[in-house]
Amino acid sequence: AQSVTQPDIHITVSEGASLELRCNYSYGATPYLFWYVQSPGQGLQLLLKYFSGDTLVQGIKGFEAEFKRSQSSFNLRKPSVHWSDAAEYFCAVGGNYGGATNKLIFGTGTLLAVQP
Amino acid sequence: EAQVTQNPRYLITVTGKKLTVTCSQNMNHEYMSWYRQDPGLGLRQIYYSMNVEVTDKGDVPEGYKVSRKEKRNFPLILESPSPNQTSLYFCASRGRGRETQYFGPGTRLLVL
Repeated sequence: AQSVTQPDIHITVSEGASLELRCNYSYGATPYLFWYVQSPGQGLQLLLKYFSGDTLVQGIKGFEAEFKRSQSSFNLRKPSVHWSDAAEYFCAVGGNYGGATNKLIFGTGTLLAVQP
Repeated sequence: EAQVTQNPRYLITVTGKKLTVTCSQNMNHEYMSWYRQDPGLGLRQIYYSMNVEVTDKGDVPEGYKVSRKEKRNFPLILESPSPNQTSLYFCASRGRGRETQYFGPGTRLLVL
C-alpha cells in the first residue's frame, strides 16, 4: 500500500540548532517526493521536491532533503533553525502508480516548535 | 500572479444545508484536486479531475460532489453537510507531467 510515515508528531528545537525531520514512504513505483510547510492559519507552501537525479535537493528558506532509496526515506534538514521556521511540515509522495498521477499521499505532519 | 483561489475562506453552516466551495486557478492547469485536512490524519484526497468533464474519486469522496465544466474552475459541493465534514479544505492544481501541485489558501468549514 502507498503510504507516508512521519514518525515525529511534535519536535522542539532551540533557535540556531540543526533540524532533521524524518519521512519514510511506501510506494509501488518511482516516487516523486515533496516537502510542504504550513504556517499557522496559512495554506501549504512547497519547500522542495525530488523527481530524479541528484539525491540531495535544495529548497527554499535554507532547507534541504536527501532521497535514500535503500531506506525509503526523504528526510528534511536545516543547519540552523530560525524562530520563523515554527510551523507544521508535511512530507508527500506522488507519481505514476496505478495511473493516478494526480494524487499526492501525505504524511500526518510534524509540528515544529522553536525555543528562543 | 499564478495562483489558486478558494471561496469562501471561512464558512459556518448547519447540517443539511447545501453549500459550494469554489476553486479557481489561472495557470491553465489540467489537473485539479480537492483535499481535506484533519488533525492527526494529514491531507486526504476527496476528488480529482484530469481535465474538463473528467473527474474521479479520491480516498474520501463520500458526501461530496464535484464538477469540471471549465478548465479553470473546480467547485466542491456538499449536498447535505454533516458535522463530520467539519474540516479544512484545500484545492490544488498542477500542469501536465511531473509538475508541482499548487495549493489554494484553504477553506475552513464548520458544520453545526
